[in-house]
Amino acid sequence: GENVEQHPSTLSVQEGDSAVIKCTYSDSASNYFPWYKQELGKGPQLIIDIRSNVGEKKDQRIAVTLNKTAKHFSLHITETQPEDSAVYFCAASTYYQFYFGTGTSLTVIP
Amino acid sequence: NAGVMQNPRHLVRRRGQEARLRCSPMKGHSHVYWYRQLPEEGLKFMVYLQKENIIDESGMPKERFSAEFPKEGPSILRIQQVVRGDSAAYFCASSPPVRVDEQFFGPGTRLTVL
Repeated sequence: GENVEQHPSTLSVQEGDSAVIKCTYSDSASNYFPWYKQELGKGPQLIIDIRSNVGEKKDQRIAVTLNKTAKHFSLHITETQPEDSAVYFCAASTYYQFYFGTGTSLTVIP
Repeated sequence: NAGVMQNPRHLVRRRGQEARLRCSPMKGHSHVYWYRQLPEEGLKFMVYLQKENIIDESGMPKERFSAEFPKEGPSILRIQQVVRGDSAAYFCASSPPVRVDEQFFGPGTRLTVL
């Protein structure tokens, strides 16, 4: 089955700096890569996603890049704000079954 | 504009009791997925259901766990004779029929087994 690895497990940045979270996957058949933000006590919320026919996608301060050859994808958050503090999960899927990374706890220091 | 609803949000059970977790999908969504999140870990797929059908239960433990999504009413994840290792957050997601990879998650039920 698919194996998704996520790094780093914790990340602290100063407000205004950029944050980068990286994931690798093992199954070359995976074709959909969503990123979720999970705040304490809440469910994961989709923040951005990318499909395997696209190399990069941007939505305001958030961007995701995908390298199919190397089987890795990354989340980039620019101009971080305190409200970006949360746990971020990457996932990979081919159809309905999502394989999640182990999460990155991001802390933005004001 | 109700999202995916789950109840209860918190559930405490003693070892050997039964736990019933409920999930109401988003309006217009007929596909439901259950995931389990152990402390400090990512979510793990358990089961995929459509109305009155279990499509894939490959992630569900073979014993004590069952799931259903009846024609009327919410989807239910049932855990019989709970053990401490069942303590986790259980999340339900739903999707529209034509986009099974567009899953929206509920707030989860946090199960604590004493």
